Parts: sequence; C-alpha cells; structure tokens
Amino acid sequence: DARVTQTPRHKVTEMGQEVTMRCQPILGHNTVFWYRQTMMQGLELLAYFRNRAPLDDSGMPKDRFSAEMPDATLATLKIQPSEPRDSAVYFCASGRLSEAFFGQGTRLTVV
Amino acid sequence: DAKTTQPPSMDCAEGRAANLPCNHSTISGNEYVYWYRQIHSQGPQYIIHGLKNNETNEMASLIITEDRKSSTLILPHATLRDTAVYYCIVRVAGGTSYGKLTFGQGTILTVHP
Repeated sequence: DARVTQTPRHKVTEMGQEVTMRCQPILGHNTVFWYRQTMMQGLELLAYFRNRAPLDDSGMPKDRFSAEMPDATLATLKIQPSEPRDSAVYFCASGRLSEAFFGQGTRLTVV
Repeated sequence: DAKTTQPPSMDCAEGRAANLPCNHSTISGNEYVYWYRQIHSQGPQYIIHGLKNNETNEMASLIITEDRKSSTLILPHATLRDTAVYYCIVRVAGGTSYGKLTFGQGTILTVHP
C-alpha cells in the first residue's frame, strides 16, 4: 500500500536546538500539508504546498519555522531554535485531487 | 472554507449504526463535505466525501441534505475499532482550487460493547 512516510517518529531535543522533520509523500501526489497537534489546540494547519510551491503558510510561526519541498519526494519542516512550547505531534499529509492521506506523525518533545 | 458544527461526543452500541451529524449552513456551491477520523495516536484517516449526492463506500455512507446545509455520516455496523474522533470538513476540491483541509474539534465517538 502506498503511504506517507514521516521521519523520525519520535524526537527529543533540548531547547534551542534545530529540529528537522521529514516527509515522503505518496508518489504522484501534488499537494502536501503540514499539521501540528496538541491537546489544547487540536489539529492546526501549519502550511501546504502544491506542485512544490507554498500556497499557504499563515499558520506557521515565521520566526522559527520553515517548510520546504526540495523535490517531489521530500518535504521538510524545520524549527530553529526549538522551544518547549513546540512539543507536539507533527503530521504530514499528501493528496492529489480529492482525498489526503496522513503519515503516522513525528512526536516532538523539547526539554 | 465554511465552518462546521459537530456534537462534542456521541456513544453507540457495538453492532448498531452510528449516525454522526454535521451542520455546515454557510457551505458554498463549490465546497465538498469531507469526513476524516483519527484513532488515538494515529494520523487522521480519510473516510468519505461528497458534493450533493449521497455517497457510500466500504467504510461508511454520507447523507447530505438537499439544501446542503447539513450532513450525516453513517457507520452501518459500528465496532469497537470505530472508536475515534470524527471530523467533518468542508473544502474546495479538485482542479486548481484544491482548498486547504482545516480541522475543527470533531465528535468523539465511543463504541461500547
């Protein structure tokens, strides 16, 4: 089965360190989403891309977060510097025309 | 994207039909109704979507009212594994207007034995 692959699955880092999360979308999907999920805020859309171009990143804190698609097989979400409030599960999803398929997420803990 | 309203929680007995309602009174003509669910600790899972006709697939049925202001997701024979948070979302889909997928708080469905 085709699936969205996210790495790493878990990450513990110290405050101030750079964190990079990676996502491999399903082959042929031209839309990629990044979400953050916490108990308090639920699922928040951070950014999304179509054909590798950013369409909307209004949900992303610009001073420390950045999202890119270096190529069609890789999407990255970076946090620099990381803070304890960034602790959350980060999901990537990819889609083409209708449905979007989600990865299993990266659980980030910033101490 | 139009806002949706769902009950915070619902219960269902195993083997019975689960009917999850959603109100989307401000839906636009080019917006579809989507349903996703999220089982604890997993990524959200696509269930079904529709524009104005009722839809059915192997997981569920989607009933959309004629005025499109509300819809109901039906799980015909709920099992314990259907316990999850169910999200109703309206969005533009397809073509060059593929809209963002914005999640609300959803409905926590608990299926009990």
